Amino acid sequence: ETGVTQTPRHLVMGMTNKKSLKCEQHLGHNAMYWYKQSAKKPLELMFVYSLEERVENNSVPSRFSPECPNSSHLFLHLHTLQPEDSALYLCASSQDRWTGELFFGEGSRLTVL
Amino acid sequence: AQKVTQAQTEISVVEKEDVTLDCVYETRDTTYYLFWYKQPPSGELVFLIRRNSFDEQNEISGRYSWNFQKSTSSFNFTITASQVVDSAVYFCALSYSGAGSYQLTFGKGTKLSVIP
Repeated sequence: ETGVTQTPRHLVMGMTNKKSLKCEQHLGHNAMYWYKQSAKKPLELMFVYSLEERVENNSVPSRFSPECPNSSHLFLHLHTLQPEDSALYLCASSQDRWTGELFFGEGSRLTVL
Repeated sequence: AQKVTQAQTEISVVEKEDVTLDCVYETRDTTYYLFWYKQPPSGELVFLIRRNSFDEQNEISGRYSWNFQKSTSSFNFTITASQVVDSAVYFCALSYSGAGSYQLTFGKGTKLSVIP
C-alpha cells in the first residue's frame, strides 16, 4: 500500500453534478490536508484536519465540503462547481499539524464542464 | 506576509550537467522552516528536505545539496550530475503558523527538464 492514496485519479463533472474525492493514508498520521493546484499558480491550502477536527479553512467556497470520518480518511464533497474549479486536488498527511513534512497523494485531476 | 519566489519557471539541462534551482523567501517570523518538494509527472509531491531557520549549515544528500543563506533569504537547491529521472517540477516552501496548524507557502515551482 502506498502512503497516501487518492481516488478517483481523474474526474469530469458538469456544474450541476455532485461528486466526492477520497483520500486514504496508511502512515498512521494525525493530520490530513486538501490542497488545490491550478496551472501557473502556487499550491493553495484548502483545509486541514487534525485528529478528525477541522483546524483550518482557508476561505474556501461552500461548494467544497470536506469530511474526515477518522484519521485515515478524508473526503472532499463537490457540488455545483464552476469551470474555474478545474484543477489537481492533492491530499496530504503529516505526523501532526505542527510539522511541515507532508506526504502527498498523486492527486485527483478534476475537470468541470 | 510570507512569500516564496522561484524566479526560474523552466530550466533545461543536458544529462550530467549540474543545475541550481533558486528560492528566495520573505517572512517576519524569526522561527520558520524551509522545504523543497519534487513533483514528478505522476503528480504526488515528494518531500526532499526541511531546514530550520536556526541551522544555516549546508546539507548534502547524494547528488543533492542545499545552500541556506539567511543574509540573502535564499534556500537554493543544486543537483550535481543531473539525470533524466531528475526531470520534475521542484517546489520551495516556507512554513508559518496558521490559526490551528503550521501551514506552508509554496513557490510557483521550477520545471526541470534533463535531456539525455
